Amino acid sequence: TQLLEQSPQFLSIQEGENLTVYCNSSSVFSSLQWYRQEPGEGPVLLVTVVTGGEVKKLKRLTFQFGDARKDSSLHITAAQPGDTGLYLCAGWGGSGGSNYKLTFGKGTLLTVNP
Amino acid sequence: DVKVTQSSRYLVKRTGEKVFLECVQDMDHENMFWYRQDPGLGLRLIYFSYDVKMKEKGDIPEGYSVSREKKERFSLILESASTNQTSMYLCAIRPGQTYGYTFGSGTRLTVV
Repeated sequence: TQLLEQSPQFLSIQEGENLTVYCNSSSVFSSLQWYRQEPGEGPVLLVTVVTGGEVKKLKRLTFQFGDARKDSSLHITAAQPGDTGLYLCAGWGGSGGSNYKLTFGKGTLLTVNP
Repeated sequence: DVKVTQSSRYLVKRTGEKVFLECVQDMDHENMFWYRQDPGLGLRLIYFSYDVKMKEKGDIPEGYSVSREKKERFSLILESASTNQTSMYLCAIRPGQTYGYTFGSGTRLTVV
């Protein structure tokens, strides 16, 4: 059972476009995180959202945690080639999940073409 | 910031070999994790450790073992490498009670 579903699985866009990727679950999570992984490297933590309805901004990236703490979204404005990578969401807790290890989604592979 | 170092970026091993993957942190954090990452399957937890000599099986421990003799070092062992263990292996730590993991750069292992 996949606790965290990410969509789309693949996304290829042109530089300057906006995009949104989603992380959904039927379970409630105590917090959700977003990571970016570049080819050949390990994932790097971008942000953690904790409170339902919370919105966090990191330059051109906007992260939102759903009111019910079951879903999250990542919106990128004016995407640049440097945004290319695999975006992973991860959460603590969740039904069938754990409070001592993270549950990861399978990721959205984003390609931004110049 | 804590640093997580994996000893090799790329490894090529033969079927049946015993393989050691090393992960070292430069601080004193208790929780360390080994994942493998495969296209379409995402990150899957192999083993984790919450202290020296303490280990717990993750979701896919078969064919692997681990060793944690010192707090800063967590080793993943492939007892007899097989081609289906070709993968990207990622070590991670959880710094204290923070929300996130810090990952190493990964080891791309190919078993031929």
